[in-house]
Amino acid sequence: GAVVSQHPSWVICKSGTSVKIECRSLDFQATTMFWYRQFPKQSLMLMATSNEGSKATYEQGVEKDKFLINHASLTLSTLTVTSAHPEDSSFYICSAPNLIRAEHNSPLHFGNGTRLTVT
Amino acid sequence: DQQVKQNSPSLSVQEGRISILNCDYTNSMFDYFLWYKKYPAEGPTFLISISSIKDKNEDGRFTVFLNKSAKHLSLHIVPSQPGDSAVYFCAASHRNSGNTPLVFGKGTRLSVIA
Repeated sequence: GAVVSQHPSWVICKSGTSVKIECRSLDFQATTMFWYRQFPKQSLMLMATSNEGSKATYEQGVEKDKFLINHASLTLSTLTVTSAHPEDSSFYICSAPNLIRAEHNSPLHFGNGTRLTVT
Repeated sequence: DQQVKQNSPSLSVQEGRISILNCDYTNSMFDYFLWYKKYPAEGPTFLISISSIKDKNEDGRFTVFLNKSAKHLSLHIVPSQPGDSAVYFCAASHRNSGNTPLVFGKGTRLSVIA
């Protein structure tokens, strides 16, 4: 079953509004979570690393004031797209490392993603 | 600069035949490599991985080969099945610590034709 839950799975919003995406680790604690973005026919690009109890680390070219990340607990990270524009329309995916399972399996578990469409 | 490259955007294979998906990387610090399978509107699901201390890892129908000197890895699926049709992403990291983000290629769309 899913070990990382992401919500919502899809959202349509008007330009200028804000959208919050939640990412939860279901049966393990994640001090770190990663947020990726995927444009059509492109790779999954790392946007930022979310750290529980401290500020997120953003990749070059990603606006931290536009993509607000809050890692409020050991099982929840949120990404808020503020003042969304049509060019923000994309597929956003979170992932979390399960350090207990990492030795024998993939180091990262992914949520099912959120399809954001800004009109 | 693309550190992980999948130069074939798509591949079509007949059911029952072998599918070979290729991946090249440029960062010599990478020491852990993974393949993920992705269906539309879903997150990637882990398929198979290989550490740089090995040159081959096999799991059922899936085998990953690593050629460190060439900085090249490949995923072999045999026999291919229609349910294998998906986008396959190659990913790499420089440390199998679990806390390191993965760097992904652009993916290869595999179509297995019945």
